[in-house]
Amino acid sequence: DIQLTQSPSFLSASVGDRVTITCRASQGISSYLAWYQQKPGKAPKLLIYAASTLQSGVPSRFSGSGSGTEFTLTISSLQPEDFATYYCQQLNSYPRTFGGGTKVEIK
Amino acid sequence: EVQLVQSGAEVKKPGESLKISCKGSGYSFTSYWIGWVRQMPGKGLEWMGIIYPGDSDTRYSPSFQGQVTISADKSISTAYLQWSSLKASDTAMYYCARQHDYGEGDYWGQGTLVTVSS
Repeated sequence: DIQLTQSPSFLSASVGDRVTITCRASQGISSYLAWYQQKPGKAPKLLIYAASTLQSGVPSRFSGSGSGTEFTLTISSLQPEDFATYYCQQLNSYPRTFGGGTKVEIK
Repeated sequence: EVQLVQSGAEVKKPGESLKISCKGSGYSFTSYWIGWVRQMPGKGLEWMGIIYPGDSDTRYSPSFQGQVTISADKSISTAYLQWSSLKASDTAMYYCARQHDYGEGDYWGQGTLVTVSS
């Protein structure tokens, strides 16, 4: 199985901050990576797929980059509604594993 | 409008069987894979497996192979996740998600909470 390691697992930030979350894969996955946002009590929401393609309706302050084994999710200016947990998922091979998650909290 | 609607919360005893459902609407149900994801209380997301309702081709995570069965009834646009003998450790929220072209989950059900307790 491909392992995905997210860092940090927790971060505290203020509204307006630029936030970067990293996802490292245990082996190369080309651009087969997606990012999700999950708020408490809600289903995950797709933000980015194919490593850098923004899902329709997702604000442009979210962006993704990377290929191979290292990927990043960036929020250019953190908004109050962005406080949530973020997960990466590799789509290169079965099982389509998720990273452990990054919880973004208000400083 | 694409929607996935899951069956309601369940409370079961260890050893009991269970089948939960995920009904798709607003798109061609037989043309997209449907995946199942487990989230144990306070924990992260775990990929369980997927099914292609068009021909019932199914793939499982090794962690869940033999523990659950994924199936679909394309005549009623519904996917299922079932257990033959529940354990307390199956207590979790279970989500279904449509898998889009790249394999990403673009639409998700609202989740089904399964509680297993004696």
